[in-house]
Amino acid sequence: EVQLVQSGAEVKKPGESLKISCKGSGYSFTSYWIGWVRQMPGKGLEWMGIIYPGDSDTRYSPSFQGQVTISADKSISTAYLQWSSLKASDTAMYYCARHSDVIAAAVFWGQGTLVTVSS
Amino acid sequence: QSVLTQPPSASGTPGQRVTISCSGSSSNIGSNTVNWYQQLPGTAPKLLIYSNNQRPSGVPDRFSGSKSGTSASLAISGLQSEDEADYYCAAWDDSLNGQVFGGGTKLTVL
Repeated sequence: EVQLVQSGAEVKKPGESLKISCKGSGYSFTSYWIGWVRQMPGKGLEWMGIIYPGDSDTRYSPSFQGQVTISADKSISTAYLQWSSLKASDTAMYYCARHSDVIAAAVFWGQGTLVTVSS
Repeated sequence: QSVLTQPPSASGTPGQRVTISCSGSSSNIGSNTVNWYQQLPGTAPKLLIYSNNQRPSGVPDRFSGSKSGTSASLAISGLQSEDEADYYCAAWDDSLNGQVFGGGTKLTVL
């Protein structure tokens, strides 16, 4: 059974750093792309970027380029989304999802990680 | 402002057929396939339709998708109360070199 399990909710202060994770199981982690999607409170879905764990090929949405870093550790089948300096506007639910190709649909989704940034 | 344009809301009564539109441009819907996602309250999105009109295993055939030019539509027939959710269209955008979503449509079953 394909599963994407994300790390737990986080409460951080502005300026702090954060790295959230998405662990894949039940499939060959290095053969599929992992994308990240942001959903701010009460708002719609926003595509942030995507990584191919097989060779770490990474693409970013222009809106998120330079704001976050997407990475993966194929030895532990885990993808990451990280911030070096959080802002209050980063408060959102973040989902990871598996794609068969960079332009393909996301068939499997993680349960989401809620990030709250507040002073 | 989302790259793909959807109506913010739609509604119907049980048993009715409703459609949700998604308008884009030549760089996204016009040149790539469209996917639709359903998001029930408090849950992660779920793939409903991929490649314009294909249903993943387990999705009822009450749900159907179509695409023409730079627009796409999701149709739900035999509307049920459990269909009350947010629906999002998505496609790859060649100009932005990334996936783009519609703003989402909140479907209410009256």
